[in-house]
Amino acid sequence: GDKVKQSPSALSLQEGTNSALRCNFSIAATTVQWFLQNPRGSLINLFYLVPGTKENGRLKSAFDSKESYSTLHIRDAQLEDSGTYFCAAGGNYAQGLTFGLGTRVSVFP
Amino acid sequence: EAAVTQSPRNKVAVTGGKVTLSCNQTNNHNNMYWYRQDTGHGLRLIHYSYGAGSTEKGDIPDGYKASRPSQENFSLILELATPSQTSVYFCASGDRLGNTQYFGPGTRLLVL
Repeated sequence: GDKVKQSPSALSLQEGTNSALRCNFSIAATTVQWFLQNPRGSLINLFYLVPGTKENGRLKSAFDSKESYSTLHIRDAQLEDSGTYFCAAGGNYAQGLTFGLGTRVSVFP
Repeated sequence: EAAVTQSPRNKVAVTGGKVTLSCNQTNNHNNMYWYRQDTGHGLRLIHYSYGAGSTEKGDIPDGYKASRPSQENFSLILELATPSQTSVYFCASGDRLGNTQYFGPGTRLLVL
C-alpha cells in the first residue's frame, strides 16, 4: 500500500451524486488498472490506462504518469456501484501489478 | 471476455501439509500471475510466469513455489502450509505486452 496510495479509504455516497477517487504512485507506473471488487469478492475490470483518459458510461478515469497519479470519477452513483475500488500500477515488463489498499464505496438511497 | 478459472474455490489445510492451488486460462495469454489478498495489505504478487516452463519470484515469494507446465495452467504450491498463509488467492492472466490483466474468482485458503 505504500507504493500506491489510494484516497479516501472509504466513501459514503447518496444515490445520484458524484464523487472522485484518487491514486498516488511512488513507483514508476507506466500503466494503471482500476478494478471493482464486488461483495462476492470478484475483481471486475473497469479500466486499463496508459497516460490519458477513458470513459465508460458513468465512470471516467484519468492517468497522469508525469505527476504520478490516477483518478476515477463516478457520476450519478447507483446502488450497484457499491464495493471496493482498487487501482493498480503496472511497469514496463509485465511483471505484475502493484495494488493500493482500496477505497470502500457505499451508495445509499 | 477473458476466462480464468481457479480450483479449488475453498480449501482447509493443516499446518505442515502440502497445498496446491490451480489456475487455468483460455485466453492464450503468455503471462500468468498469483496474488494473495489480506486485510490491510491489498493484493500482493507472489509469483508470475512469462510462459510454459517459466516462473519468476514476485514481491512475497517466501513459502511458495509455482509451476507452469503449459500455456493454460499455472499452479501455486505450498509445500509446508502455515497459518500465516491463510488468505484469499487470486490468479490472473495477461498478454506479453503487459496489457489488461484478467483475474479469476479467487480461492479461499484456511490453514489450521
